[in-house]
Amino acid sequence: DTGVSQDPRHKITKRGQNVTFRCDPISEHNRLYWYRQTLGQGPEFLTYFQNEAQLEKSRLLSDRFSAERPKGSFSTLEIQRTEQGDSAMYLCASSFGQGHYGYTFGSGTRLTVV
Amino acid sequence: AQTVTQSQPEMSVQEAETVTLSCTYDTSESDYYLFWYKQPPSRQMILVIRQEAYKQQNATENRFSVNFQKAAKSFSLKISDSQLGDAAMYFCAYRSVLNYGGSQGNLIFGKGTKLSVKP
Repeated sequence: DTGVSQDPRHKITKRGQNVTFRCDPISEHNRLYWYRQTLGQGPEFLTYFQNEAQLEKSRLLSDRFSAERPKGSFSTLEIQRTEQGDSAMYLCASSFGQGHYGYTFGSGTRLTVV
Repeated sequence: AQTVTQSQPEMSVQEAETVTLSCTYDTSESDYYLFWYKQPPSRQMILVIRQEAYKQQNATENRFSVNFQKAAKSFSLKISDSQLGDAAMYFCAYRSVLNYGGSQGNLIFGKGTKLSVKP
């Protein structure tokens, strides 16, 4: 088990394009979380899944954002019609149970919208 | 809603010395978890230490220890015998244990403190 994997590491896209990121959590972990981190800020919660069910979405997750976790394994985060304000690091994390012992984070996908 | 505040944007410490990073939080809950995470440049976030609010004893992990003051809502991180590899962003984080407002999935972070270690 190599931890939480995210792909791609970097993504540059033109404004208005759609992008999709993938996260592979630790296989034993039933919870998967998406966070966004902008420069000089701490990570901000976007959404989380318990197995395949999306249980909570932050109001930061606008209608242009959608996340899935089919079969409770990997997850994808799609941003439609990207805007320059979407430029950020997108972090994925996973946990066993409710995450009271902490989350394991991936290395993130850095999105730049030009 | 809970908030986490880290009032020191940057800190510096001499190698082998001790440094303390500050964190305060605001909550109306009595039961919760607190964490310190380390984020080295261009690398993934790593859990440093964890504290359960109902435990009065301060958590310790090797050179890392916390000073948890529940009444003051303070959770500082002490790094002893600082090493060059300790240089990173450090984030304090809060996690509710209750289904408070539906935020069972929400680990709430502060803005971070950038720690530099001088050789």
